[in-house]
Amino acid sequence: GAVVSQHPSWVICKSGTSVKIECRSLDFQATTMFWYRQFPKQSLMLMATSNEGSKATYEQGVEKDKFLINHASLTLSTLTVTSAHPEDSSFYICSANNRVTSNYGYTFGSGTRLTVV
Amino acid sequence: AQKITQTQPGMFVQEKEAVTLDCTYDTSDQSYGLFWYKQPSSGEMIFLIYQGSYDEQNATEGRYSLNFQKARKSANLVISASQLGDSAMYFCAMREYSNYGGSQGNLIFGKGTKLSVKP
Repeated sequence: GAVVSQHPSWVICKSGTSVKIECRSLDFQATTMFWYRQFPKQSLMLMATSNEGSKATYEQGVEKDKFLINHASLTLSTLTVTSAHPEDSSFYICSANNRVTSNYGYTFGSGTRLTVV
Repeated sequence: AQKITQTQPGMFVQEKEAVTLDCTYDTSDQSYGLFWYKQPSSGEMIFLIYQGSYDEQNATEGRYSLNFQKARKSANLVISASQLGDSAMYFCAMREYSNYGGSQGNLIFGKGTKLSVKP
């Protein structure tokens, strides 16, 4: 079935540094990628929607200069957390819009657990 | 207003028994889809079941069934014959298919229900 490979699965970084998270669709073209953030014991909250070749659309309250999203190809979307701070520590997960998959259009990555120290 | 409401933060069920996880939704769209996902402690989102707004039959997938009551705007998940491996967070989610709700095609999630299966 359709697979979205998300890396890294976990990362610990120092405050002030940047972290890049990659989501790669392995056997289909992901024209749209959704990026979610999940704080402990909370729900998934949409951060931004990216379409291949165009600028991402950010949800209200999400800083576009802090969370840089690049979707330069149909198989790769990246989220870079710039100048990370402890409050950015969270679980980040991507979801590709895929009309081919049997999961009614959505394939999730496995998530990235970010800890900023 | 919340679009997806899951009123049970936590549920316990005895192994081999059935359990119902509640979900109500709010939309003005005529066309929408309802999803249930399981999230174990590892964090991955595991798709369980889907119900389209125009589907007349309740969806079933193995031990999972969706009790869809359109007039009440509820989409409860029923897990039969619970297993220890069913212990996890369960999320109900919705996608609106028209642009009326401002949908970009993303899923809107409820707050989740933590299910614990007791041996």
